[in-house]
Amino acid sequence: DAGVIQSPRHEVTEMGQEVTLRCKPISGHNSLFWYRQTMMRGLELLIYFNNNVPIDDSGMPEDRFSAKMPNASFSTLKIQPSEPRDSAVYFCASSLLTGGVGNEQFFGPGTRLTVL
Amino acid sequence: AQSVTQLDSQVPVFEEAPVELRCNYSSSVSVYLFWYVQYPNQGLQLLLKYLSGSTLVKGINGFEAEFNKSQTSFHLRKPSVHISDTAEYFCAVSEWCGRTGNQFYFGTGTSLTVIP
Repeated sequence: DAGVIQSPRHEVTEMGQEVTLRCKPISGHNSLFWYRQTMMRGLELLIYFNNNVPIDDSGMPEDRFSAKMPNASFSTLKIQPSEPRDSAVYFCASSLLTGGVGNEQFFGPGTRLTVL
Repeated sequence: AQSVTQLDSQVPVFEEAPVELRCNYSSSVSVYLFWYVQYPNQGLQLLLKYLSGSTLVKGINGFEAEFNKSQTSFHLRKPSVHISDTAEYFCAVSEWCGRTGNQFYFGTGTSLTVIP
């Protein structure tokens, strides 16, 4: 398996522009997680999906952020409009959750977003 | 909700010396424990995990960790570090939360620097 795939790997955009980050989880995994990592705040969970349904989006910073998972093999994280403080590395992770067993998350390589 | 504490934000250690990275969590209700490593400009990679059984868990790259339920700790150790071990290390706890499934909680990370 190719692992979790994220695109693009790097994104540079100007303030006010829309940004879409993409993630393909590992085939067969039923849970998907979006994280943001910055020096100041560390690793933050933004949202997680189980069987394509958003379960916990309490970490989404504000309405400018939205995430979708239209099917089991694809998810997007959109920021509109983007702001300089959104600059961070965004990670996608997937996992196979089976009734009470804490399976590990597999992380993608991340998307480094810079908003000018 | 869980909280995961990594008391040491930075740990410098000389090459070939032993190292211990500390991790404590807040609840001793049935949990599953993980250590991840993040090399510069990469995603997180699983080092080892504790789900059940022996409290001493061995992982990749010569690392091991011991689950101590009474102290709610899961410290990571390596008897002799190499330059290549320089990285950020994250402790994580997973617990089953019923309707919301597995919740993952990450510590703030420990930056390990191996000095030649």
